[in-house]
Amino acid sequence: GAVVSQHPSRVICKSGTSVKIECRSLDFQATTMFWYRQFPKQSLMLMATSNEGSKATYEQGVEKDKFLINHASLTLSTLTVTSAHPEDSSFYICSARTRQGANSPLHFGNGTRLTVT
Amino acid sequence: DAKTTQPTSMDCAEGRAANLPCNHSTISGNEYVYWYRQIHSQGPQYIIHGLKNNETNEMASLIITEDRKSSTLILPHATLRDTAVYYCIVRALNNNDMRFGAGTRLTVKP
Repeated sequence: GAVVSQHPSRVICKSGTSVKIECRSLDFQATTMFWYRQFPKQSLMLMATSNEGSKATYEQGVEKDKFLINHASLTLSTLTVTSAHPEDSSFYICSARTRQGANSPLHFGNGTRLTVT
Repeated sequence: DAKTTQPTSMDCAEGRAANLPCNHSTISGNEYVYWYRQIHSQGPQYIIHGLKNNETNEMASLIITEDRKSSTLILPHATLRDTAVYYCIVRALNNNDMRFGAGTRLTVKP
């Protein structure tokens, strides 16, 4: 089945620093990847849609200058949290859809738990 | 995409069938029903999806009512490892993304 790999699984950083999270589709090409954020005891919230070779589309309320998304290839998208603050501490999850069929499901990575101290 | 309504939580005895309902009364003709689950501190796991026919795979069965306004996910023999939050999502063919509601927290008890 389709596998999406996310790295790192956990990261702790100091306030004001930047953190990069990688999302890779291991056995398929993903023209579109998605980034979600999940706070404790809440559901996943879509942050942005990442399209290969073009700018990401951000959801309302998500700062594009703070959450930089790069989708340089069909198998890799990165999310950089710039100038991180404690309120950015969250569980970040990426997903991707295979090209096969408009109804094909999204496949998710195992998430990255970011803690900003 | 159509909104879905699920019970907040459910319990199920180990070895018994777990039946998780989902209401999507405003679903339209080109919208599929997807089910995912999320085990604590992991990414969501795809379970099954369907349009109007019932579907079955190695994980579960999906029963969609004839009017498509509701569906039920069936885990035929629940195990402790099936304890998770189960999300029912409706998505149209022309929509790329997937948006999650609150889901149902299923607890399988010994």
